[in-house]
Amino acid sequence: DAKTTQPNSMESNEEEPVHLPCNHSTISGTDYIHWYRQLPSQGPEYVIHGLTSNVNNRMASLAIAEDRKSSTLILHRATLRDAAVYYCTSNFGNEKLTFGTGTRLTIIP
Amino acid sequence: GAVVSQHPSWVICKSGTSVKIECRSLDFQATTMFWYRQFPKQSLMLMATSNEGSKATYEQGVEKDKFLINHASLTLSTLTVTSAHPEDSSFYICSARDALAGAETQYFGPGTRLLVL
Repeated sequence: DAKTTQPNSMESNEEEPVHLPCNHSTISGTDYIHWYRQLPSQGPEYVIHGLTSNVNNRMASLAIAEDRKSSTLILHRATLRDAAVYYCTSNFGNEKLTFGTGTRLTIIP
Repeated sequence: GAVVSQHPSWVICKSGTSVKIECRSLDFQATTMFWYRQFPKQSLMLMATSNEGSKATYEQGVEKDKFLINHASLTLSTLTVTSAHPEDSSFYICSARDALAGAETQYFGPGTRLLVL
């Protein structure tokens, strides 16, 4: 069972905002939503996490739906260095994070 | 902050030999570390959860006698691939959870690429 679902791939033009969606309908009330990104041949890099409220940091913003069944990672101004596989994940009630297949983001110059 | 290192970054070994991979949390204490394996164009697959001072918990289908995990301190966990075979060739990634940060956030190492000939 895929606990998070994301589009396999997305494209965006450089310097434009990118909205990466994720569905996590089985998440419980105390599970945090985490986003990571992975460049080729590197370990995943932490991007952002949140519980209920929208969150902002220097890398991105996280918009969490009111029912918490979905969230959107927002890159405000995509650069070529943002091209990566983006994973939305959660611990779903235990200490382990469950990774799906992620979204491969391509940035078009 | 929240830096995790792995050593070595890549290793080539002969079939039948053992390989040890180290995972260190550099600027925080990690009571729990995780070991993942990733095959080309696939997602991360959790192999085991390693708790400091206790035995690791392995995921279904992962052989505990083949993938030995030791978590002897709050900043170091090791994964030893025993009697490695070509099918063990993969990208091994560790992560560490900051015990004080909460939220189950994990910070990942850069990965170790293993090639078994």
